[in-house]
Amino acid sequence: DAGVTQSPTHLIKTRGQQVTLRCSPKSGHDTVSWYQQALGQGPQFIFQYYEEEERQRGNFPDRFSGHQFPNYSSELNVNALLLGDSALYLCASSDTDRGAYEQYFGPGTRLTVT
Amino acid sequence: GEDVEQSLFLSVREGDSSVINCTYTDSSSTYLYWYKQEPGAGLQLLTYIFSNMDMKQDQRLTVLLNKKDKHLSLRIADTQTGDSAIYFCAVSVFGNEKLTFGTGTRLTIIP
Repeated sequence: DAGVTQSPTHLIKTRGQQVTLRCSPKSGHDTVSWYQQALGQGPQFIFQYYEEEERQRGNFPDRFSGHQFPNYSSELNVNALLLGDSALYLCASSDTDRGAYEQYFGPGTRLTVT
Repeated sequence: GEDVEQSLFLSVREGDSSVINCTYTDSSSTYLYWYKQEPGAGLQLLTYIFSNMDMKQDQRLTVLLNKKDKHLSLRIADTQTGDSAIYFCAVSVFGNEKLTFGTGTRLTIIP
C-alpha cells in the first residue's frame, strides 16, 4: 500500500518565478491538505482540498493556489516567488469517510528560492 | 487563534524514559496528535488521542491529556537511539481538519 508521495523532492527557483508541486494521496484517501514548514518551525496550514474544491484555507496570500484532480491527487502552485517562500512543502492525505482526522504526510518537497 | 507550545530541546539517556510536553490554548480542540520528524523527512503520525480520553498507550508510547490545564504529554519508554528526532504536538477541532502544530521538541539520546 503506497503512502503519500510528492514530487519533486527538491526544487530551486528564482524570485518572481512560478512553481508547481505535486501530491498523490495514500490509497483510499480523498482529502488532501498542504502545509508549509519553514526551517526550525512547525508546519503551517495552507489549504485543504476535497471533491476537487478548496474546503478551507489558512493565512496565506492568493499567490498560493491549488487544484485537486478526479483521482484525488493535488497540485500546489505558487506565483511570484519570494525568498520567504523557501521551505519544506508537505502534503497530507486523509479519508473523509473515517472523519478525516488521521492525516498522513508525504516526504515533502524542499523549495529553495534564490 | 489556536496556539500550541512546546519546549525546544530534550536530552535523555538511552534506556531511560522521555517525556515531551505540550500546551494548547483552544479548549475546543478535539483531536490531539504526536508526529515524529527525522532529519530531511516528512512527518510520521505516531499516535493521537480524542479529547474525551485521559490516556492512551501504544507499545512504548503513552499519551496523557489534562483537559483542565490544556496539557498534553508523550512518554517514550526505554528510549533508543532511533528515537532521536523532532517531535511535534498538533491539535484540531472536530469538523475542521486543519492541524495546528507546535514548534517541535528536538529529542537527543545520550549513549
